[in-house]
Amino acid sequence: ETGVTQSPTHLIKTRGQQVTLRCSSQSGHNTVSWYQQALGQGPQFIFQYYREEENGRGNFPPRFSGLQFPNYSSELNVNALELDDSALYLCASSLSGDEQFFGPGTRLTVL
Amino acid sequence: AQSVSQHNHHVILSEAASLELGCNYSYGGTVNLFWYVQYPGQHLQLLLKYFSGDPLVKGIKGFEAEFIKSKFSFNLRKPSVQWSDTAEYFCAVRETTDSWGKLQFGAGTQVVVTP
Repeated sequence: ETGVTQSPTHLIKTRGQQVTLRCSSQSGHNTVSWYQQALGQGPQFIFQYYREEENGRGNFPPRFSGLQFPNYSSELNVNALELDDSALYLCASSLSGDEQFFGPGTRLTVL
Repeated sequence: AQSVSQHNHHVILSEAASLELGCNYSYGGTVNLFWYVQYPGQHLQLLLKYFSGDPLVKGIKGFEAEFIKSKFSFNLRKPSVQWSDTAEYFCAVRETTDSWGKLQFGAGTQVVVTP
């Protein structure tokens, strides 16, 4: 256990819908990173938040957006869902970008 | 663009056999290197990391990795595996200019250890 929690565990949506995934960071951590892990692939970096500001983004379209709250928890929002968005979404927290501790992930299925 | 390649997607071996998983990266600058493991039903966890210094790095559970700069490689080894080492293993790279921790992962190697 890392102390990083994610909700929900599983989620099923249809194309065109919107989804919000949540992450609670480990106590004392101020940085949250989100990754997408498609089946059979390694995690791909989506973006990172530090003290409520986005401070790094991977090669994902603007319909992937996020928030970080004053307690350092975070949300990942995906609009206009596509079939290819089906994946495991991982959240990782760290203290100012140091070693990242991963949560268990949210499995999103888009039908 | 930076990339990380893991040589094998699946490895099957018997208990007590030796394990070596290959990882190569393409990036001309200075990098930090990591191996993560994901046991069945569990979250990703760090096995070991290399930032600088001795290129032979020891991690948890008897794993070690060797950084060979000239070959852009960071191979993971364990002399004698156990059934409990069945897991998926990911190599990851972070550019040192990106101090805020963006990790680039390889595709992973699924390791199955048979009794």
